[in-house]
Amino acid sequence: EAQVTQNPRYLITVTGKKLTVTCSQNMNHEYMSWYRQDPGLGLRQIYYSMNVEVTDKGDVPEGYKVSRKEKRNFPLILESPSPNQTSLYFCASRETLQGAYTEAFFGQGTRLTVV
Amino acid sequence: AQTVTQSQPEMSVQEAETVTLSCTYDTSESDYYLFWYKQPPSRQMILVIRQEAYKQQNATENRFSVNFQKAAKSFSLKISDSQLGDAAMYFCAYRSAIVRGGTSYGKLTFGQGTILTVHP
Repeated sequence: EAQVTQNPRYLITVTGKKLTVTCSQNMNHEYMSWYRQDPGLGLRQIYYSMNVEVTDKGDVPEGYKVSRKEKRNFPLILESPSPNQTSLYFCASRETLQGAYTEAFFGQGTRLTVV
Repeated sequence: AQTVTQSQPEMSVQEAETVTLSCTYDTSESDYYLFWYKQPPSRQMILVIRQEAYKQQNATENRFSVNFQKAAKSFSLKISDSQLGDAAMYFCAYRSAIVRGGTSYGKLTFGQGTILTVHP
């Protein structure tokens, strides 16, 4: 089954304690991205990756890091989490074909609370 | 930069009735895609319907249809014969079709979301 898998689904942590949210896709997609969802703001892109070792900032990258060492994995790293990073996080992937009209596949979401 | 606005934070509808969710967007591009996503309480993002900007014909998927007005930059979602399972948060989203560096630029720009309640 084609899917994007995020872990964990729920996480409560303390300010300043480094954490990683994992994301893996089994569709051989080139394009992967991270979004955060906040009430009244919808989903906003944090980082994206066009392919292995190619990453770039989205609209709200401050306080986050990513890496893309393998095509299937795209972890989101919070080096020093703060309470304003409490949010619902989604990983998404998409096949990237020039000019093609392709659908984004989303993970199940990770509810992060920073206290 | 593109923006997407959903001006209805909440909507409600009686089961079997029809409801329309509004979405407007702002862009200077001529070629793009528009989407409606459904997010039930399970949090899963489910693609409901999509529209290519160069197509004048409105997209339809079973009970879901859109009213795409390109000049007005409007993209509303109509749900006919509403069912209890339609209750969810609905997001409108925009994606550019511009090709950059040989690959499609893939960011989705979302609206704020509309919570739809369906009354039995």
